[in-house]
Amino acid sequence: GQNIDQPTEMTATEGAIVQINCTYQTSGFNGLFWYQQHAGEAPTFLSYNVLDGLEEKGRFSSFLSRSKGYSYLLLKELQMKDSASYLCAVMDSNYQLIWGAGTKLIIKP
Amino acid sequence: GAVVSQHPSWVICKSGTSVKIECRSLDFQATTMFWYRQFPKQSLMLMATSNEGSKATYEQGVEKDKFLINHASLTLSTLTVTSAHPEDSSFYICSASSGGELKAFFGQGTRLTVV
Repeated sequence: GQNIDQPTEMTATEGAIVQINCTYQTSGFNGLFWYQQHAGEAPTFLSYNVLDGLEEKGRFSSFLSRSKGYSYLLLKELQMKDSASYLCAVMDSNYQLIWGAGTKLIIKP
Repeated sequence: GAVVSQHPSWVICKSGTSVKIECRSLDFQATTMFWYRQFPKQSLMLMATSNEGSKATYEQGVEKDKFLINHASLTLSTLTVTSAHPEDSSFYICSASSGGELKAFFGQGTRLTVV
């Protein structure tokens, strides 16, 4: 079956760095997405990786290793507004998005 | 960036009535639109995928006669929850993508409460 695993909840301190991991097993691979979702709102796109390596975009970076079925989202210089759920999603061979359950990130002052 | 507008943002309806939710792509042609449902503290659950001009493809367990999806144009898809019941209360989100764009753009979501 298809499966996306990510931690349920993480806590970090304002100004620090946090890494949210995502492992996946899917039928085919056409890219991995990270979305941010604040409570009660729709997800917003953060990043897309289809090749191995690190993609950096401001305070957020995303890494992919296709051979390991692994990705992480790295958030630097954490701000209180970064408190949200972070969703990992993989596009399979049929171009369907398979979603993880999301990681709730709690930022403490 | 691409914008998807979903309306209404929230709606309260009586049990047994029907509710229509609209999803519009404002600055691009959405060849494919997706409808999701999300329960509190849970991830998105795909309900159906619709391609412009053709019937929607529903996921297993989703009643197609209860959740009517119409994708009549490249910029508009609608989801109608028919004969709503309290257990249909949820957060419904649409997303849209164009043929050459893999990432999906999401509407604002609609919080439906059935009383």
